[in-house]
Amino acid sequence: NAGVTQTPKFQVLKTGQSMTLQCAQDMNHEYMSWYRQDPGMGLRLIHYSVGAGITDQGEVPNGYNVSRSTTEDFPLRLLSAAPSQTSVYFCASSYSRGRTFHIYTFGSGTRLTVV
Amino acid sequence: TQLLEQSPQFLSIQEGENLTVYCNSSSVFSSLQWYRQEPGEGPVLLVTVVTGGEVKKLKRLTFQFGDARKDSSLHITAAQPGDTGLYLCAGGGYGQNFVFGPGTRLSVLP
Repeated sequence: NAGVTQTPKFQVLKTGQSMTLQCAQDMNHEYMSWYRQDPGMGLRLIHYSVGAGITDQGEVPNGYNVSRSTTEDFPLRLLSAAPSQTSVYFCASSYSRGRTFHIYTFGSGTRLTVV
Repeated sequence: TQLLEQSPQFLSIQEGENLTVYCNSSSVFSSLQWYRQEPGEGPVLLVTVVTGGEVKKLKRLTFQFGDARKDSSLHITAAQPGDTGLYLCAGGGYGQNFVFGPGTRLSVLP
């Protein structure tokens, strides 16, 4: 019963470096999404996917790429890290309840510091 | 852009006290969710409310969705140290991305 697994838990990058944050779910959920959480700003949607092969931008997509080649995996790529990307990143998967709303399961997060 | 505001931003109370936190928006949401987040972990869903005026109870927690579906409240009776955490509200619906509020950070002192 792993749910949503994120790796790594912590990461320090230098400005300009690239990296991939991994996210995997074992609940066969079609919908997956990436959020960043900054103090006083809540969770902001970066990118999301409604199924394998389909991705779309959220509220704050600049500087990030995603792909969804399988139902299980939804990696987030930072192309050229900037200090403004210092944040805690959460991956979530969800399913719809009666076509009314989504039930979300979040991973435990990746704390990223860009120096 | 739909926005959610939460108040208070911080709340520190003694064990056994009652408290209410609020979630407000100028937008109408088809559903609203409450989450609790503990340090170093992701948010965990507590409840979803979908009908204006709906009240749901989860042990000592009571959730209410406003009649106009623009606001919600969370009331905790006889708070315990285990209730400590960040409480987030989120609004949205099927086919919509949920929007999250900034949260209320609750500390319950023994």
